[in-house]
Amino acid sequence: EAQVTQNPRYLITVTGKKLTVTCSQNMNHEYMSWYRQDPGLGLRQIYYSMNVEVTDKGDVPEGYKVSRKEKRNFPLILESPSPNQTSLYFCASSSFLRTGSNQPQHFGDGTRLSIL
Amino acid sequence: DAKTTQPTSMDCAEGRAANLPCNHSTISGNEYVYWYRQIHSQGPQYIIHGLKNNETNEMASLIITEDRKSSTLILPHATLRDTAVYYCIVRVAREKTSGSRLTFGEGTQLTVNP
Repeated sequence: EAQVTQNPRYLITVTGKKLTVTCSQNMNHEYMSWYRQDPGLGLRQIYYSMNVEVTDKGDVPEGYKVSRKEKRNFPLILESPSPNQTSLYFCASSSFLRTGSNQPQHFGDGTRLSIL
Repeated sequence: DAKTTQPTSMDCAEGRAANLPCNHSTISGNEYVYWYRQIHSQGPQYIIHGLKNNETNEMASLIITEDRKSSTLILPHATLRDTAVYYCIVRVAREKTSGSRLTFGEGTQLTVNP
C-alpha cells in the first residue's frame, strides 16, 4: 500500500531535549516536505526536498533541520525544542511530471508534539 | 497562487450528494484547482484536481465553470465518513521548480448527518 509513515505519532518532551521525527514514503517520490499545522494559522511549510541531498527552507524553518540522504526518508530534527514548536506536524511527498502540474501530495497521519 | 473563498460550514444528509462550492475569481490561466480534505487531526487527503475540464474519479467530481472563476466539488453519495474539512486550493502548474508548497485556507467543514 502506498503510504507516508511518520513516527512517533505522539510525543511529549521538555525544552532543549533534541528530538527527531521520522518520515518515510514507499512511492519513490522525488519531492518531500514537512508542514506544521496550528489553529488559525493553517498548514505552513517548514522545509522541503526536491530530491536526495537537495533541501530548502519553507515558510517557517527556524528551529528545525532536515536531511535527505535517501530518497524514501526525510527526517525532521529539532535540535533544541522550545514550547512554541508545540504543534501538529505532517510529512508529505509527491512526484513530478516532466511537464504539466505537480502531482498531488500524499500526507502522513501526523505527529503531535508537545514541548513543555 | 490565487486566493480561494469557501463557506465556513455545510451540512448534508447521508446518502445525498454534497456540493461544496469554491470561488477563485483571480485564478490565472495556468493555475489548477485542487481539492483536499482533512478528517479531524488526520493528514490531508488528496481528492481531485483539474484545470478547465470537469473531472471525475472514484471519490468525487469536480465541476469548473467556463470562466474558471469558481468550482464545485461533488460527493455523489455522502457517508458519515465524509465528515471533514474540505480545502479548495489553486496552484500554478509547475515543472521541477522550487516550493510546491500547499497553502491551505480555512476550508469548509462538511458535516454529514444520519
